[in-house]
Amino acid sequence: DGGITQSPKYLFRKEGQNVTLSCEQNLNHDAMYWYRQDPGQGLRLIYYSQIVNDFQKGDIAEGYSVSREKKESFPLTVTSAQKNPTAFYLCAIQGRDTEAFFGQGTRLTVV
Amino acid sequence: QKEVEQNSGPLSVPEGAIASLNCTYSDRGSQSFFWYRQYSGKSPELIMSIYSNGDKEDGRFTAQLNKASQYVSLLIRDSQPSDSATYLCAVRTTSYGKLTFGQGTILTVHP
Repeated sequence: DGGITQSPKYLFRKEGQNVTLSCEQNLNHDAMYWYRQDPGQGLRLIYYSQIVNDFQKGDIAEGYSVSREKKESFPLTVTSAQKNPTAFYLCAIQGRDTEAFFGQGTRLTVV
Repeated sequence: QKEVEQNSGPLSVPEGAIASLNCTYSDRGSQSFFWYRQYSGKSPELIMSIYSNGDKEDGRFTAQLNKASQYVSLLIRDSQPSDSATYLCAVRTTSYGKLTFGQGTILTVHP
């Protein structure tokens, strides 16, 4: 079954805790992206990677970290430095000159 | 000025009417334009992509692009209650470039 898979679907974080969101794809796409969505604000880019072992900050990278050790995987860590992490997190893949396809998303809530 | 701006909503139309969604962008180097539909709690799904000036039709959907005016629109003919969702406009400037999203327009189609 091809596609892009995010896990978990729901995640709860305690104050001061780091959590990691998973994003895996088997479509052999080079470019992968992490977006954050808050109500009424569209999608904002956190980090992106266009090749293994390389990634760039997006518009709102503070408090987040990523790695790209394998082409298939692009995990996002929400660190304790991110003061307002409650949001809907979306991972996307994108081929050259094509549209972006999204995973099903992870809803993160601070408890 | 926001990079990508959509007409403020929410937009409410009766079933069977034409819904018109508008989007303006600031970067004249933008090359690719996308409309995504997002149901509540779900990830965005691609409806239309458009790359050159003019109209592009796909079923009940028509995308219109005017690069001189930096304007892209989406028309939904014969609107159905199932079209009720948030519509996101996205713009990309280079082949592997990141997508920049508008804030979204909430569309409600009432019977």
